[in-house]
Amino acid sequence: AQSVAQPEDQVNVAEGNPLTVKCTYSVSGNPYLFWYVQYPNRGLQFLLKYITGDNLVKGSYGFEAEFNKSQTSFHLKKPSALVSDSALYFCAVRDLRSHSNYQLIWGAGTKLIIKP
Amino acid sequence: EPEVTQTPSHQVTQMGQEVILRCVPISNHLYFYWYRQILGQKVEFLVSFYNNEISEKSEIFDDQFSVERPDGSNFTLKIRSTKLEDSAMYFCASSEADGLQETQYFGPGTRLLVL
Repeated sequence: AQSVAQPEDQVNVAEGNPLTVKCTYSVSGNPYLFWYVQYPNRGLQFLLKYITGDNLVKGSYGFEAEFNKSQTSFHLKKPSALVSDSALYFCAVRDLRSHSNYQLIWGAGTKLIIKP
Repeated sequence: EPEVTQTPSHQVTQMGQEVILRCVPISNHLYFYWYRQILGQKVEFLVSFYNNEISEKSEIFDDQFSVERPDGSNFTLKIRSTKLEDSAMYFCASSEADGLQETQYFGPGTRLLVL
């Protein structure tokens, strides 16, 4: 069965430092991977996705993510964190071999706190 | 930038009552979805909808749930007889096309509390 793991409930980073939010996945085929962010009282906003091609994907707000097939990971990164990056981050996956073409399978979310 | 909108933002209802959650997808999108997130749990897929038909539904989407596109802009989720365990944040999403590579864009959610 498909699954997504975000091993850290919370990540604390000082402003200006690089940040990493971890995501690993388990699928039976080739994964399609997504990152979303949820700010307080807001919906899920799309950040970036990996479909195929370059393993380093660039997205909104200066975020990027690296697809690593051998480690089945898709970690979200940013070179220099801003206080405004503080939010809840979700990793999600779709699988080519799944019976489903539509649904996203979600991680539990990681709360990112950027301290001034 | 076009957005998915949802109303109401919060809904409180008594157990056994019917609720209708409303969504306005992005205007040129053809595929619509509902997800829910029970407090402290993962986001879960409920249903996808295209061309006035359900494309796919999860085990959660039982007979008490229904979806409808009553006009050219709205997409609704009806819960016929609410239960305590239906309390959750409900997210609507839409995408331009189907396909595994398509991005689903989400609304801000409706927080449903069943008492």
